[in-house]
Amino acid sequence: QSALTQPASVSGSPGQSITISCTGTSSDVGGYNYVSWYQQYPGKAPKLMIYGVTNRPSGVSNRFSGSKSGNTASLTISGLQAEDEADYYCSSYASSNTWVFGGGTKLTVL
Amino acid sequence: QVQLQESGPGLVKPSQTLSLTCTVSGGSISSGSYYWSWIRQPAGKGLEWIGRISTSGSTYYNPSLKSRVTISVDTSKNQFSLELSSVTAADTAVYYCATYHTIFKTFDYWGQGTLVTVSS
Repeated sequence: QSALTQPASVSGSPGQSITISCTGTSSDVGGYNYVSWYQQYPGKAPKLMIYGVTNRPSGVSNRFSGSKSGNTASLTISGLQAEDEADYYCSSYASSNTWVFGGGTKLTVL
Repeated sequence: QVQLQESGPGLVKPSQTLSLTCTVSGGSISSGSYYWSWIRQPAGKGLEWIGRISTSGSTYYNPSLKSRVTISVDTSKNQFSLELSSVTAADTAVYYCATYHTIFKTFDYWGQGTLVTVSS
């Protein structure tokens, strides 16, 4: 069971859109529509932003959206705001009742 | 809304057993909607799923930790617990308890996390 692969960092200017990728295998991301995305501020617990690849929990801004193609899932943040600067993690069901996370991506708002 | 709170020693000696408890409030741990999970995060690193337990007591663990991990549930106290044996410095991390929603297939509620340092 290997961690999902995410870029270490991404950046964008306010108002722009950015996309964070999360690459796995056919045994996790590619095999199930159970990809989630979490936002984490320093010293804080992760917060669920997207579940089931594309679904937003109540209260999460519609600027956040998710998608998946093959073994790669993506999180897109549109209309980037300063408050979006945080670490983002993906997770996926990985068969045999196990789950795997990505290594995390640091988003910098320029 | 479910709230989770981790508790336990912040310092554990190498080769000893790390023990943490997660207290659930705002809902019953007997709810069939959730699995009760543990996740950890070493400083400056990513998240690692440790394992989970269902209300019925069924457990699944990260294969890389399976030989050292035990997760249990105490429905009378609305708590679930983590034990990690034979710890080393590599087990130093912030440990989170979290709920896994069995329908939405996601970790939706998280505790604030507790730092456990392994050091003599």
